[in-house]
Amino acid sequence: GAGVSQSPRYKVAKRGQDVALRCDPISGHVSLFWYQQALGQGPEFLTYFQNEAQLDKSGLPSDRFFAERPEGSVSTLKIQRTQQEDSAVYLCASSLGRDREAFFGQGTRLTVV
Amino acid sequence: DAKTTQPNSMESNEEEPVHLPCNHSTISGTDYIHWYRQLPSQGPEYVIHGLTSNVNNRMASLAIAEDRKSSTLILHRATLRDAAVYYCILRGNNNDMRFGAGTRLTVKP
Repeated sequence: GAGVSQSPRYKVAKRGQDVALRCDPISGHVSLFWYQQALGQGPEFLTYFQNEAQLDKSGLPSDRFFAERPEGSVSTLKIQRTQQEDSAVYLCASSLGRDREAFFGQGTRLTVV
Repeated sequence: DAKTTQPNSMESNEEEPVHLPCNHSTISGTDYIHWYRQLPSQGPEYVIHGLTSNVNNRMASLAIAEDRKSSTLILHRATLRDAAVYYCILRGNNNDMRFGAGTRLTVKP
């Protein structure tokens, strides 16, 4: 595709439910980032992949959050046993490298009820 | 990691230039300076980036101080569609890309 695609665009989960958010980066982009953005706040870094290697996961808020990129392209962010404070927009970005622009998806809005 | 400091908010009049400052006093020699903006209800979008020299593109200009400890994003003629939160980000050898609070730009007609 022409850009970074995220699915679903909207997700409503009951508290305690597991969710999986998908990111399709731009083809060939080695770098992939996940962010969490609460209402009225800036994007908070969650984790970063270079190809299939997860080089930084220091931003994941708890062990309920897990991300993978097994073949170095599509990535999935999984949240287990969702809680109300997980409600946010989850953004994905991809890039060829630090000297190149990064492209963001439209995000997945997760609402935990 | 090197961090950036930006004013929380700025205002501009439509069709006037806007200079958005960013301080990054602990920048290292290999850190790239990136600017992104986020319009309401959208994902961030790339604006411009540079290393040492000033940069121009169709959206904006980036002026980098000689000591690289600060930079300024310049919108030459602000429009109402430029109202957004603007983020200044450093990307270093670890390819980190972390956002600060950014500057909320309001454009008045």
